[in-house]
Order: sequence, then C-alpha cells, then structure tokens
Amino acid sequence: ETGVTQSPTHLIKTRGQQVTLRCSSQSGHNTVSWYQQALGQGPQFIFQYYREEENGRGNFPPRFSGLQFPNYSSELNVNALELDDSALYLCASSLGREGQETQYFGPGTRLLVL
Amino acid sequence: AQSVTQLGSHVSVSEGALVLLRCNYSSSVPPYLFWYVQYPNQGLQLLLKYTSAATLVKGINGFEAEFKKSETSFHLTKPSAHMSDAAEYFCAVKLSNTGKLIFGQGTTLQVKP
Repeated sequence: ETGVTQSPTHLIKTRGQQVTLRCSSQSGHNTVSWYQQALGQGPQFIFQYYREEENGRGNFPPRFSGLQFPNYSSELNVNALELDDSALYLCASSLGREGQETQYFGPGTRLLVL
Repeated sequence: AQSVTQLGSHVSVSEGALVLLRCNYSSSVPPYLFWYVQYPNQGLQLLLKYTSAATLVKGINGFEAEFKKSETSFHLTKPSAHMSDAAEYFCAVKLSNTGKLIFGQGTTLQVKP
C-alpha cells in the first residue's frame, strides 16, 4: 500500500461527456503526477502539479486539465470525451518534483468511453 | 529526447530459474532509472531505483538491477523466479530537472510451475 488513493475505481461514460477523477496523495507529499495507461501500453505522462501549480505537461490536448488543492489532493478533468480516452488513469504522489524523488502510484481509475 | 526500450514484451521462465528483464535507455544526461511492477488490475509498485549512488541496486522481493552507462542499460534480474513474480514490469527514466517519468512498453513475466 502506497497511501495514494483514487476514486472512483471504475467509470463508464459516453462520447462527448465530461469526467472528473480524484486522487488523494500520500501524507506529506506536495507533488502529484497523472498518467494515462492504455491497454497493453506503458503509462504516458499527462501533467504534474507542485504546490498547486502545474509543473510540466505531456503531449495531451487542453481538454485534459487538472487541479491541486491546498491539502495536495488533486483532480483530473477530461472534457469532450473520445473513445480513445478509454484507459487506466494513474496518479502518483511524491515528496518533491526533483528527478530522484520516487513517485508512489495509486491503484488507478479505469475509464471506459462508449 | 529521452526514451526507454524494453526488449521482449513477454518473458517466460520456469519457477526457480533466473529472471532477466532487459531495459535500455536513451538520455543526453545521466538519468534516474526506475523499475516498477504492476499486478493485474492494480497500480504500479516501485521495485527499485538508480540515483547514481551505486551501480548495483537491490530492490524488494529479491530483485536487483545494474546500471551500465557504457551500454545504456538497466536490466532487472532475480536469481530464482517465484510464481508470485508473474506480473507486468515497467522500466522508466526521469531527468534531474523534470518530474516526468518516461516508461517503456512493459514486459509481461510468466512463471511456469
């Protein structure tokens, strides 16, 4: 157990809808990163938040957005869902944003877009 | 650009045999390297990480990995496979000035009785 929790565990949406996924960081961690893992693939970096500010973004369109709250929990929002957005969404928390800091992953939210 | 290549999408070994999962990275500067394991329907669990302190890194569950700069490799090994080692294994690289983990495609380890 990493102490990182995510909700919901599973979600089914239809194309065009919007979804919000939530992540609670490990105690004391101020950095959260979000990844998308398509079936049979490695996780792909979406973005990272450090002390409530975005600290880097991967190759994802603007309809993927996020927030980090003062308690360092986080949300991932996806607008105008597309079929290809079906994936496992993982969040990871860390003590800082530097390279050597270990990212601890939550169990993920599996999103299915019909 | 940084990248990670895991050679072999599927590796099958017998219980008790040596496990060798290959990872090669591409980076213009010394990276930090990680191995994660993912069991079915779960998130990723850290096995071990390289942060330049020592080239041979020992992790959990008897796994270890050796950083070889000349070969740009960070292969994962375990002397004796156990049935519980069956899972998906991911190698990842991260630079010192970024929080982004770049993952390989993963290797599925099958352990036969």
